[in-house]
Amino acid sequence: GENVEQHPSTLSVQEGDSAVIKCTYSDSASNYFPWYKQELGKRPQLIIDIRSNVGEKKDQRIAVTLNKTAKHFSLHITETQPEDSAVYFCAASTNAGKSTFGDGTTLTVKP
Amino acid sequence: GAVVSQHPSWVICKSGTSVKIECRSLDFQATTMFWYRQFPKQSLMLMATSNEGSKATYEQGVEKDKFLINHASLTLSTLTVTSAHPEDSSFYICSARTAQGNNEQFFGPGTRLTVL
Repeated sequence: GENVEQHPSTLSVQEGDSAVIKCTYSDSASNYFPWYKQELGKRPQLIIDIRSNVGEKKDQRIAVTLNKTAKHFSLHITETQPEDSAVYFCAASTNAGKSTFGDGTTLTVKP
Repeated sequence: GAVVSQHPSWVICKSGTSVKIECRSLDFQATTMFWYRQFPKQSLMLMATSNEGSKATYEQGVEKDKFLINHASLTLSTLTVTSAHPEDSSFYICSARTAQGNNEQFFGPGTRLTVL
């Protein structure tokens, strides 16, 4: 089955700096890669996603890159703000829709 | 659009009892729903995939007789934790996929289960 590895497990940055979280996946059939933000006790919220036919996608301060050959994808958050502090999960999904999640990254943005 | 609800949001029960959690897609038809379990400070672990009108597909290590899943309609799936024990205490989250099949999942708000 699919295996998704996520790094780092914790990340602390100063407000205004950039944050980068990286994930690798194993199943070449995976073609959909969402990123979720989860606050304590809440549901995961989709913040950005990318499909296998695209190499990069950007939405304001958030961007995701995908390298299909190397089977890795990354989340980039620029100009971080304290409200960006949360746990971020990457996931990889096939056409069957079943998602495998990374272990999560706890991002802390210090004011 | 694409709203998923769960009920109850939290439940406390005694060891040995059964608990039913409902997952509803409010404004779309969900041919597939997924059930996840999340322990504190851990990731979401897929328990089973629920398809409307057919038997659920359970992930390895998940007991199908303990975690009963019923997907009776295109808007409702239920998870029943039978003979609950303290180790079943967790955050249970469902998600639903639309019939369009574009892979995006919409998550419910989760159910916090505490077994005493």
